[in-house]
Formats: sequence, C-alpha cells, structure tokens
Amino acid sequence: DIQMTQSPSTLSASVGDRVTITCRASQSINTWLAWYQVKPGKPPKVLIYKTSTLETGVPSRFSGSGSGTEFTLTINSLQPDDFATYYCQQYSAPPWTFGQGTKAEVK
Amino acid sequence: QLQLQESGPGLVKPSETLSLTCTVSSGSISSGTYLWGWVRQPPGTGLEWIGSTYYSGSTYYNPSLKSRVTISIDPSKNQFFLSLNSVTAADTAVYYCARLTVSRYFEYWGQGILVTVSS
Repeated sequence: DIQMTQSPSTLSASVGDRVTITCRASQSINTWLAWYQVKPGKPPKVLIYKTSTLETGVPSRFSGSGSGTEFTLTINSLQPDDFATYYCQQYSAPPWTFGQGTKAEVK
Repeated sequence: QLQLQESGPGLVKPSETLSLTCTVSSGSISSGTYLWGWVRQPPGTGLEWIGSTYYSGSTYYNPSLKSRVTISIDPSKNQFFLSLNSVTAADTAVYYCARLTVSRYFEYWGQGILVTVSS
C-alpha cells in the first residue's frame, strides 16, 4: 500500500494568514493526488484533484502543487470558513489511501 | 446534482454483520465508467477506503478488510450495498458512500451514517 503522511497534524492560524500543508507519499504517485476538506458532521468535500486542479466552485485562495512524492496545499488569506480538517488522497494505485489529516484551528 | 444517501442500522452487535445501502438520485448508477464506493471514518481518526464496485458488479476491496467485506450493486434500484461481517468495536465509524471519478478520486459523497458496534 502507498502510505500518505501529512504535516503538520494541527496548525494554528489567524484569519488572513497564508497556510501550507504538506503531504508525502511513500512512493511516487505522479500527480494523482486529491485534497479534501472535512468539517464536523459534514462529508468530505473535494477541493483539488490531479495535484493542482481546483474543483468547480472552490475559491481561488486554495492551490496545490507537487509531483512524485511531495505535495502541498496552500490557502492564501485564510477565511473563517476554512477552519476545518484537510486530507490528501492518492489515487495512483489501489488501495486508495488518505493522509492522517491536518486540522486548521483558530490561533 | 448527483446525490447519495446512506441507510441502515445505527447499532450492530459484535460478531454480527453490518449492512448498509446507498441510494443514488439525480443520476444513474449505470452511467459511465465511475466506481461506486464506501469510505469510513472511525471517531477521531482519518478516512479509510473500504472498497468499490462498477455498475457491472466488478469489485475492488481494501486488502485490510477484504476477508470481511462484500460490496454489491443493483442498477435497477440505483443502489449499492456494503456488508461487513464479524464486526468489532474497531468497526465503529461514520460510513460514507461515494462516487469515484474515472481517475479515481472521490467526487460525490453521501452525508454519512454513524454505525456503532456495541452489545
């Protein structure tokens, strides 16, 4: 299985901050990576797929980059609605696997 | 917009079988080359893919659960199903059904259903 490791596990930030979450794969996954946002009591929402393509309707303050084994999700100018938990997911090869999550909390 | 809705018992006894249904609306389960799947999230932990099925009935399972999981589909009812046998407390989780795109990320999700394994 391809292991996905996210860092940090928790980040404390303020509205307006630029935040970056890193996701590392245990082997190359090319650019087959998606990012999801999860809020309590809600299903995951896909933000980005194929490393850097924004899902329709996702604000442009979200961006993704990387290839191979190292990837980043960046949120420019963090908004109140962005405090949530973020997961990366590789879909290079089954079993499809997720990172352990990064919780963005209010500083 | 495609909608998915999970249904089934919220409480299952240890050693018994967990059975869930996902009903798809505003779209056909038989269209395209999508996969239909199940993902779970135990309390306080991350997401785990359980398995997926094509509308044809071909299935793919997470090796970690393969011995206990069966996923099936009924295109005539626009539904697919999850069966997980010999459950323990470790199977307590929110279970989501989802549609995977052709490239295999999870595009549409149900709201999720909490299933607790307890006597």
